[in-house]
Amino acid sequence: DAKTTQPNSMESNEEEPVHLPCNHSTISGTDYIHWYRQLPSQGPEYVIHGLTSNVNNRMASLAIAEDRKSSTLILHRATLRDAAVYYCILNTGNQFYFGTGTSLTVIP
Amino acid sequence: EAGVAQSPRYKIIEKRQSVAFWCNPISGHATLYWYQQILGQGPKLLIQFQNNGVVDDSQLPKDRFSAERLKGVDSTLKIQPAKLEDSAVYLCASSLDRLLTGELFFGEGSRLTVL
Repeated sequence: DAKTTQPNSMESNEEEPVHLPCNHSTISGTDYIHWYRQLPSQGPEYVIHGLTSNVNNRMASLAIAEDRKSSTLILHRATLRDAAVYYCILNTGNQFYFGTGTSLTVIP
Repeated sequence: EAGVAQSPRYKIIEKRQSVAFWCNPISGHATLYWYQQILGQGPKLLIQFQNNGVVDDSQLPKDRFSAERLKGVDSTLKIQPAKLEDSAVYLCASSLDRLLTGELFFGEGSRLTVL
């Protein structure tokens, strides 16, 4: 039931910005877009979420396309601790549908 | 604030044996979830509780998996009998309510290996 599409892997240099894309063309009007990340041997942790407007918090920014069919998670300055699998998830209000995520490698 | 607690962290069993995993959510969180994460895949929801009632168990293999949350606090997930394909990490998560506009809090997971 994967409802989001993400690249399998991405690389970034340390201290450079990272843009992680996500396609969710079947999104409905009430679905929230959530991002979680999973460090090795840990459970996923919340990063950010939004509905229509762009969102910022201390960890990242979320840019949502005007038609809401895609979004981008932005890490402003990647650090080695940001190396993880990033999941873009549609929250239908009933359950979270996790895809396979994007594995981010940060190069020192 | 204490996080979501899970035990055991690791379990190795032979096929056809049984196993149980325990989860204690964050205090005050009404909603509890069990996810199965097979190596290289994203987590897949098995069952969702709201207090002590089941909200969604459509993806739970009910012939071998069972889960309960009797007092609306901690929960147990059981597999009996286990199959090789049940080897995975079992993640427990909790949230304040079912509306899910907020945040899911995950435990560190219980890694099951079935031989």
